[in-house]
Amino acid sequence: DLKQPPSVSVSPGQSARITCSADTLPDHYTSWYQQKPGQPPVLLIFKDTEKSSGTPDRFSGSTSGTTVTLTISAVRSEDEADYYCQSYDTTGTLVVFGGGTKLTVL
Amino acid sequence: QVQLVESGGGLVAPGGSLRLSCATSGFNFDDHYMAWVRQAPGRGLEWVSYISGSSLTKYYAESVKGRFTISRDDVHKTVHLEMNSLRVEDTAIYYCARDPTLGSYLNWLDPWGQGVLVTVSS
Repeated sequence: DLKQPPSVSVSPGQSARITCSADTLPDHYTSWYQQKPGQPPVLLIFKDTEKSSGTPDRFSGSTSGTTVTLTISAVRSEDEADYYCQSYDTTGTLVVFGGGTKLTVL
Repeated sequence: QVQLVESGGGLVAPGGSLRLSCATSGFNFDDHYMAWVRQAPGRGLEWVSYISGSSLTKYYAESVKGRFTISRDDVHKTVHLEMNSLRVEDTAIYYCARDPTLGSYLNWLDPWGQGVLVTVSS
């Protein structure tokens, strides 16, 4: 299982950090998706740190040991959404999603 | 541009069957892994299944293994999800998604279709 905090709250202009943890993460790449209400998920980050085309510069990915982190610098109200990490099981063949983190912009 | 359009959802009684389809356009369908991901009402994302470009590789989540079958039609650029022995807990929006890479395994998913609602209820 990929563990994410259920919620993160920040004020506009602050940085938000959303973590995703699992023992398997050092062995496989992690991707991050943003989902706004009523919309399908959108790819933000792949291969732990690479931005998808169209991902604003304020989004970045990082990794340290068994934890990967999505950082949103200078958060805007439009960043309010659910964020999911995605990786693989121990075999590297089955896809796993984190439980999701609801980002609230105060 | 790349487009994925799901169809085939609806209301079905427990124990029933449905076949979802995902029509694609705007890319070389044959080369790409395709996946189904679902989202129960108010819940998070759950990967369901994926299939390789050659159809040689297919994987399923434990929750659907033995009940769901993924397939693809490279002529019509469509991926299907045959769902049998449906349960109330299969109720969800089902999304079709493409792996944009040309690797030998599923990497990441981009883009996703708008999704189709499957409701399993008596």
